[in-house]
Amino acid sequence: EPEVTQTPSHQVTQMGQEVILRCVPISNHLYFYWYRQILGQKVEFLVSFYNNEISEKSEIFDDQFSVERPDGSNFTLKIRSTKLEDSAMYFCASSDEGWDRGLGYGYTFGSGTRLTVV
Amino acid sequence: GENVEQHPSTLSVQEGDSAVIKCTYSDSASNYFPWYKQELGKRPQLIIDIRSNVGEKKDQRIAVTLNKTAKHFSLHITETQPEDSAVYFCAAIEPDNYGQNFVFGPGTRLSVLP
Repeated sequence: EPEVTQTPSHQVTQMGQEVILRCVPISNHLYFYWYRQILGQKVEFLVSFYNNEISEKSEIFDDQFSVERPDGSNFTLKIRSTKLEDSAMYFCASSDEGWDRGLGYGYTFGSGTRLTVV
Repeated sequence: GENVEQHPSTLSVQEGDSAVIKCTYSDSASNYFPWYKQELGKRPQLIIDIRSNVGEKKDQRIAVTLNKTAKHFSLHITETQPEDSAVYFCAAIEPDNYGQNFVFGPGTRLSVLP
């Protein structure tokens, strides 16, 4: 079964440092997403990406965040200057066209990167 | 935008009993409602979903019902087992959104007691 792969599984960084979280979506998927889950809380949408541009972003996704698909396979989330409150599990997801009509592989989450800002 | 509420926040049942988790959504245009099971430290895993043109869907011990008029949907787990213990999230898809992002409920921690 196709998987969404995320690296690293755990990242510790100092406050103010930049971090890049990496994701390899399922190869024939066209839509890419980042979600965040603070410990013990619900999963929150950050951003969606389609056709090499952001299609939607939430209020959480401020100027400190950016996304990129640098080489046609990776999908990255960059946090420019991390804050303590950025500590969370970050999930990447991808989907193909028509998944919500019961076609294709559907909407798949990666296993997450636990970001700890100290 | 869409808002999803979920109740209860915690639920304890005896093994073999049924568990019911309820969610409401705000946007009547939402048309897809998945349920995810999340074990500690792991990714959300889709367990069942329902589309707005269907009122009920069942998969073995798990069923989901949807009431479009009332804008609520429920997860039913019968004959619960200890391995059903996890956090369950309902979600609704934001309609008219090219990115098709989910709005998740706050989660229900289900504990199945042996």
